Amino acid sequence: QKEVEQNSGPLSVPEGAIASLNCTYSDRVSQSFFWYRQYSGKSPELIMSIYSNGDKEDGRFTAQLNKASQYVSLLIRDSQPSDSATYLCAVNRGGRTGSARQLTFGSGTQLTVLP
Amino acid sequence: DTAVSQTPKYLVTQMGNDKSIKCEQNLGHDTMYWYKQDSKKFLKIMFSYNNKELIINETVPNRFSPKSPDKAHLNLHINSLELGDSAVYFCASSGLAGGLDTQYFGPGTRLTVL
Repeated sequence: QKEVEQNSGPLSVPEGAIASLNCTYSDRVSQSFFWYRQYSGKSPELIMSIYSNGDKEDGRFTAQLNKASQYVSLLIRDSQPSDSATYLCAVNRGGRTGSARQLTFGSGTQLTVLP
Repeated sequence: DTAVSQTPKYLVTQMGNDKSIKCEQNLGHDTMYWYKQDSKKFLKIMFSYNNKELIINETVPNRFSPKSPDKAHLNLHINSLELGDSAVYFCASSGLAGGLDTQYFGPGTRLTVL
């Protein structure tokens, strides 16, 4: 079993729709969770981090965490063509500080938003 | 101002050669990393240094040798390059941003071994 699993996609949604990206992790002691966006040929860029169960909203992005189910998701509302990218889920055992020290990444989900 | 920079951006070389990739960060972070991203986009940590000290050394062939001359620089030297080393190598650094430990990536070095 992979440590961090994501639907590989590709996922296509029409412009204006909600894109839902899912991630499961195997290590129950994981404490901090991150979503990175990576455009083709570019480096990963952090878009969301979440540490507590529940939802965390930032603009059009909402991260959802359920530690009991070992599940983290990212919702993108009002999807735009500029959101087309690969989204990487990353998991770490650490807490809020010192938490980025060792990230385990999923293989990413490729999202295409169709105009 | 570039936060995390890497050189070169592209590197094409023959099997058996030795090459180096350089990384510098101007964010004042204590921790730096090297990641390898393969053709399937899987991003895997290779090494991590904290204040010039090696703290993470994943299962990586000993042909790969990191070196941190100071906490703002982390270089990667690769001996006897093999076809399977072809990948994009990302340098990253991390530090507290608004109370949260956040990792920032460099632009990547695309290595092609022929």
